[in-house]
Amino acid sequence: QSVLTQPPSVSAAPGQKVTISCSGSSSNIGNNYVSWYQQLPGTAPKLLIYENNKRPSGIPDRFSGSKSGTSATLGITGLQTGDEADYYCGTWDSSLSAGWVFGGGTKLTVL
Amino acid sequence: QVQLQESGPGLVKPSQTLSLTCTVSGGSISSGGYYWSWIRQHPGKGLEWIGYIYYSGSTYYNPSLKSRVTISVDTSKNQFSLKLSSVTAADTAVYYCARTQTVGDWFDPWGQGTLVTVSS
Repeated sequence: QSVLTQPPSVSAAPGQKVTISCSGSSSNIGNNYVSWYQQLPGTAPKLLIYENNKRPSGIPDRFSGSKSGTSATLGITGLQTGDEADYYCGTWDSSLSAGWVFGGGTKLTVL
Repeated sequence: QVQLQESGPGLVKPSQTLSLTCTVSGGSISSGGYYWSWIRQHPGKGLEWIGYIYYSGSTYYNPSLKSRVTISVDTSKNQFSLKLSSVTAADTAVYYCARTQTVGDWFDPWGQGTLVTVSS
């Protein structure tokens, strides 16, 4: 069981918008920055969003991130077939068992 | 542009020690300013952070793996390494190395990953 909870799958049509949620607690999301990663089939994860809502150079503004309380959300607009991938949230957990934690991942299907 | 590349045996026998190396190019580990990380992904599953090391040798480990993990750095070769002892089939995974700005920060970039299978 992952410390951060993501829906196993989401789907939407090309051109539409989708959101992926990531739920945690005060020891992780509530008090630390969240980052998001895209893993295309057969490839390594790639950073999409850092510090809750910042995009690295080269990431299109179709991708956005937000955080409220102990939850974070990744938004993708103008869906493309090339966006089909697994998406992971992650953050530092400051509990007694401190360490970096990832969500279980969400499979995005572009119908 | 910094690039990371994992290397090591793809097959390890149960009870033995898994050893992997990550070679960093396009930047110097000894320059400081970054932590160097290991992350793994079990087949068809999610990501699991293993630990970090700073160029000085300071380390942070996942508490669930801490008793079996050693991460070390060789600044002369611009490499850092992972050793995981007493492996079982449950340690079969793709192992990634990655860079992070500091403890608790995001991971970027990542290596391409290397599959390690634990089997006799």
